[in-house]
Amino acid sequence: EAGVAQSPRYKIIEKRQSVAFWCNPISGHATLYWYQQILGQGPKLLIQFQNNGVVDDSQLPKDRFSAERLKGVDSTLKIQPAKLEDSAVYLCASSQSRGTSERKTQYFGPGTRLLVL
Amino acid sequence: SQQGEEDPQALSIQEGENATMNCSYKTSINNLQWYRQNSGRGLVHLILIRSNEREKHSGRLRVTLDTSKKSSSLLITASRAADTASYFCATDLIQGAQKLVFGQGTRLTINP
Repeated sequence: EAGVAQSPRYKIIEKRQSVAFWCNPISGHATLYWYQQILGQGPKLLIQFQNNGVVDDSQLPKDRFSAERLKGVDSTLKIQPAKLEDSAVYLCASSQSRGTSERKTQYFGPGTRLLVL
Repeated sequence: SQQGEEDPQALSIQEGENATMNCSYKTSINNLQWYRQNSGRGLVHLILIRSNEREKHSGRLRVTLDTSKKSSSLLITASRAADTASYFCATDLIQGAQKLVFGQGTRLTINP
């Protein structure tokens, strides 16, 4: 079974530029998550999708961050314009949406490391 | 805001020794999970313990949960160099929501 795929793996941009990250979840996983992990900290949930609908985006800085999952499979996360404090690893995770807590375990991709100069 | 706080922030031990990491949290939980993150990689799920469980084992891992103290511990026995990683606890607050809140992690180094 293929895992969660993310691209690019690394991105370096200057502040005020825009950037986009892509995620392909595990086949059949209805729930998709985007996390931000700043160096030395744990991941922080940015947005959670159930199929193509948003479940939780309470911690997404909506003035500059946007995300979509139009067909309920792949997802993109965009930052426009980027700030220095956006330098972080952006992790995508997916999970099943039904069953026990064990069946709804989140599986993470390798992440995209973003550096904003 | 961080729900879980791991202790210690960093731990260095010799190969073969046991490693214990602790996690404290603030509010009631549905379950608590432990994840491992190797340098430069994504997180890997290790073990889940439900709020009505007190102890759980998986291979060399032992997790305990004390809901009265709002704390959990992860014990790795007979440590190996490959166990070198950061370990995070994550709390699942609401049944069915699948929303995890991660702590800041413990950086574990196993010295050969």
